Amino acid sequence: EAAVTQSPRSKVAVTGGKVTLSCHQTNNHDYMYWYRQDTGHGLRLIHYSYVADSTEKGDIPDGYKASRPSQENFSLILELASLSQTAVYFCASSGGYSGNTLYFGEGSRLIVV
Amino acid sequence: AQRVTQVQSTGSSQWGEVTLDCSYETSEYSYLILWYRQLFSGEMVFLIYQPSFDTQNQRSGHYSVVFQKSFKSISLVISASQPEDSGTYFCALSELDQGGRALIFGTGTTVSVSP
Repeated sequence: EAAVTQSPRSKVAVTGGKVTLSCHQTNNHDYMYWYRQDTGHGLRLIHYSYVADSTEKGDIPDGYKASRPSQENFSLILELASLSQTAVYFCASSGGYSGNTLYFGEGSRLIVV
Repeated sequence: AQRVTQVQSTGSSQWGEVTLDCSYETSEYSYLILWYRQLFSGEMVFLIYQPSFDTQNQRSGHYSVVFQKSFKSISLVISASQPEDSGTYFCALSELDQGGRALIFGTGTTVSVSP
């Protein structure tokens, strides 16, 4: 059973509209992350969180907000979606040191038109 | 500044063994290098990691690494590769003293193993 689940799995949004991507983890992990992947590229960190009610900016936070209302849930919010935000978004969680392995969700494909 | 580079766009193979190269930049003393495989479905699967302070090359199943710390280079070796090993392989750097513990990813190397 998947430990990190994302919703929606795919979405078409209109330019200027609001988009919320949700992530839920059952790993009991403290750390959660949002990455974006563009076609033919690696993953880039948008926002992350290491405790509920707190979020941190990653490498490319502009145009995105994040919310961590509980240890299990982490949302990515695009207040005004733009064409350049068309991408696949991955949520991940991570526990303590042991390998610092990130466990990824299935990805959410967002197309902004 | 941190950076992870995977120069190969496709992996090399010989006699069923595939070798993927990765180089990285970091000023941290303690770090991990991790390898992930992205399936054609998009799913990211963790494969193996190498701690910077461990001189022994790590192995996990038919995955192993060749870690050259002084050159800040690491290779993933897939032995006895099968068609099901096809996918895109990502190298990632984790700097352990950074509070976020986020990973910095390379751009990936695509592997296609023919039957």
